[in-house]
Amino acid sequence: AQSVTQLGSHVSVSEGALVLLRCNYSSSVPPYLFWYVQYPNQGLQLLLKYTSAATLVKGINGFEAEFKKSETSFHLTKPSAHMSDAAEYFCAVSPSGGSYIPTFGRGTSLIVHP
Amino acid sequence: DAGVIQSPRHEVTEMGQEVTLRCKPISGHNSLFWYRQTMMRGLELLIYFNNNVPIDDSGMPEDRFSAKMPNASFSTLKIQPSEPRDSAVYFCASSPTGANQPQHFGDGTRLSIL
Repeated sequence: AQSVTQLGSHVSVSEGALVLLRCNYSSSVPPYLFWYVQYPNQGLQLLLKYTSAATLVKGINGFEAEFKKSETSFHLTKPSAHMSDAAEYFCAVSPSGGSYIPTFGRGTSLIVHP
Repeated sequence: DAGVIQSPRHEVTEMGQEVTLRCKPISGHNSLFWYRQTMMRGLELLIYFNNNVPIDDSGMPEDRFSAKMPNASFSTLKIQPSEPRDSAVYFCASSPTGANQPQHFGDGTRLSIL
């Protein structure tokens, strides 16, 4: 069984500030990890994924995430927030064996102030 | 390439009516997922198909909900009879089989039951 916890349902930053969205997971087998972004009235879109090739993963729109096994974390960061980054962000985990069904976190709403 | 296509985008109907939501997955993807998203419960997996066969329907709320995938390019989610508490955004997502494969989401159907 696996689970995902996203700390903070809302995160507020100023434009140009660092973005940090937290994701912790639990998994009984080595996981694959994903971050998705959802803009209003749209479906989720893949930002980046970790599949064991490298612990630091770079995604689209300047986002990156670091897999830390010892902390069971996969936090999402971006050095400088842009107004267009305002959206809902979801962390997801898939077990490397079994049913391939991913588990999604509850999501974090990123608010960017001018 | 066309993404996942869902129809209708919006549906408003009265309690007790039958509702049918439609999904065309990306060609070549053999995994298909139906999700429901609400503010209260977040993103919930309803059912997962692989190669047109339902693999996990444990998320289907009750017998009023049914889903079919008659072929690789089409799936339906039906609610009969509908109730106000079914109001939500319903997403269809597809992917190639594999835990390391990200999901591709449609833009959803916003369902309102009056």
